[in-house]
Amino acid sequence: GENVEQHPSTLSVQEGDSAVIKCTYSDSASNYFPWYKQELGKGPQLIIDIRSNVGEKKDQRIAVTLNKTAKHFSLHITETQPEDSAVYFCAAPGGGNKLTFGGGTRVLVKP
Amino acid sequence: EAGVVQSPRYKIIEKKQPVAFWCNPISGHNTLYWYLQNLGQGPELLIRYENEEAVDDSQLPKDRFSAERLKGVDSTLKIQPAELGDSAVYLCASSFGRGAYNEQFFGPGTRLTVL
Repeated sequence: GENVEQHPSTLSVQEGDSAVIKCTYSDSASNYFPWYKQELGKGPQLIIDIRSNVGEKKDQRIAVTLNKTAKHFSLHITETQPEDSAVYFCAAPGGGNKLTFGGGTRVLVKP
Repeated sequence: EAGVVQSPRYKIIEKKQPVAFWCNPISGHNTLYWYLQNLGQGPELLIRYENEEAVDDSQLPKDRFSAERLKGVDSTLKIQPAELGDSAVYLCASSFGRGAYNEQFFGPGTRLTVL
């Protein structure tokens, strides 16, 4: 099955700075890579995803990059704001229909 | 539009007691998932339904866990008997269409504490 590793586990940034979270996956058959954001007391919510036919995707202040050769993908948040404080999860499906999630990154944006 | 509804939000029970969680997915979503989320970890799939059929229950501990999705809408996850190690958040999610490529919409979860 798929194995997804996520780093770092915690990330503290100053408001306005950038944050980068990295994930590696094991199954070369994975071709879809979503990122979910989980706020305290809530379920995860999809914020951006990328398919393997592109190397980068942007949506306002967030972007995801994918390196299929190295089997890793990253989430980039620019101009961080206090509302970006949350836990972020990457995921990958492997060759099947089941998403395997990373261990999560707790992001704290300090004002 | 209402999101995924779960109840109860919190449950405290003593070990060896039974417990049940209920989930109402987003209207029209044919795929329903139950996940286990331990503290500080990512969600882990317990079972996935496509309509009323359980298509992936390989991670469900069948000696004590059971689930059902009658009529392909609401779902119930049961633990009997509960053990201390079952303390976690149980998340329900739904999606329109099958497969991992469809956005999953998560409910707020049920936080279970087993004493």
